[in-house]
Amino acid sequence: NAGVTQTPKFRVLKTGQSMTLLCAQDMNHEYMYWYRQDPGMGLRLIHYSVGEGTTAKGEVPDGYNVSRLKKQNFLLGLESAAPSQTSVYFCASSPHRDAQETQYFGPGTRLLVL
Amino acid sequence: GNSVTQMEGPVTLSEEAFLTINCTYTATGYPSLFWYVQYPGEGLQLLLKATKADDKGSNKGFEATYRKETTSFHLEKGSVQVSDSAVYFCALLINTGTASKLTFGTGTRLQVTL
Repeated sequence: NAGVTQTPKFRVLKTGQSMTLLCAQDMNHEYMYWYRQDPGMGLRLIHYSVGEGTTAKGEVPDGYNVSRLKKQNFLLGLESAAPSQTSVYFCASSPHRDAQETQYFGPGTRLLVL
Repeated sequence: GNSVTQMEGPVTLSEEAFLTINCTYTATGYPSLFWYVQYPGEGLQLLLKATKADDKGSNKGFEATYRKETTSFHLEKGSVQVSDSAVYFCALLINTGTASKLTFGTGTRLQVTL
């Protein structure tokens, strides 16, 4: 099993450009999450999905959209990138909402918006 | 709301020194508690967890005890190694009506020197 993979690993964008970050998991997990990590702020939840075809807003959803067309994939889109979206983005997945389960994280995508 | 407070870093220790990283939490309900570790250039990995009061999580020589009376989950290790240099995140997990959500602390950077 590859676990959780993220594409790309690193990207540089100009302000106003768009891009899509791809997250894939091969563990048949129902739940998937997108976080951003900024210095001194820990990880903050952007959007999440509780199953194929569903999405929901997290703590910091503005400027991002997501889609979960297939159970194994969770896409994060930036329609018009801004410098404030420079960050490291982590995807995670979990099998179900039981409190004793944890989330499995991907290796991250580093995004720089100029 | 739910929140996690960690001691600020960086924490610099000599090899074989004793480590404590403090973590306290505020939560509605009964959270599970976690420590994640992030090595340079990598994603988060689960280090240990505890799901109810007085549980002790342990892994790779690290330990943390879920203290409900003091709402704490301090991370300890008796003798650190250079390879333990990383950022450590305390987190809590609460089930909501739709999905379990992790709330992270801001992270504590540990640097271990020879």
